[in-house]
Amino acid sequence: EDQVTQSPEALRLQEGESSSLNCSYTVSGLRGLFWYRQDPGKGPEFLFTLYSAGEEKEKERLKATLTKKESFLHITAPKPEDSATYLCAVRAAGNKLTFGGGTRVLVKP
Amino acid sequence: DTEVTQTPKHLVMGMTNKKSLKCEQHMGHRAMYWYKQKAKKPPELMFVYSYEKLSINESVPSRFSPECPNSSLLNLHLHALQPEDSALYLCASSQDLPSSNTQYFGPGTRLTVL
Repeated sequence: EDQVTQSPEALRLQEGESSSLNCSYTVSGLRGLFWYRQDPGKGPEFLFTLYSAGEEKEKERLKATLTKKESFLHITAPKPEDSATYLCAVRAAGNKLTFGGGTRVLVKP
Repeated sequence: DTEVTQTPKHLVMGMTNKKSLKCEQHMGHRAMYWYKQKAKKPPELMFVYSYEKLSINESVPSRFSPECPNSSLLNLHLHALQPEDSALYLCASSQDLPSSNTQYFGPGTRLTVL
């Protein structure tokens, strides 16, 4: 059975304090690892798709990396507007995503 | 444009009511999804339509009835719901290709069952 574990569950950062979120996964035949950002009461907003180990993608202060067992979401010099829940999900065969529990990030000014 | 729209934004219904949630996308995606999300939990898959045919039903109770009238529209018909069905209902869509399968989510419908 596919499994995704995100850590930490919650993260408090000072503005400008860089950090990393972890997503560990076990899946048979990875067909994509996805990062989303979700604000309270809203739908998940797509950030990145990674398909193979060694792949990296960047967007503004965010950088996602992928190995054979885990993915990291690095937040560089975060701002208060980066406060959100960050969700990791994997896809094996078929259309089903398996989500991790999410990491709630709070960036204080 | 990666927009998925959902209506209504909020819905309050009694346990004897019948209501419908609607979802629309114009990205040419051929897979569409319904998820249910409870507070502080990740989204939980309910149904998947691929090329307008139901391909996955995650053992959802029959009081939830999905419908895909065409490749751009997805409905979720609700009948005789329970208070525990109160949640954020999310629609998503994606291409149905191994190399391009990112799911894009709509803003959700906040459902309250009284």
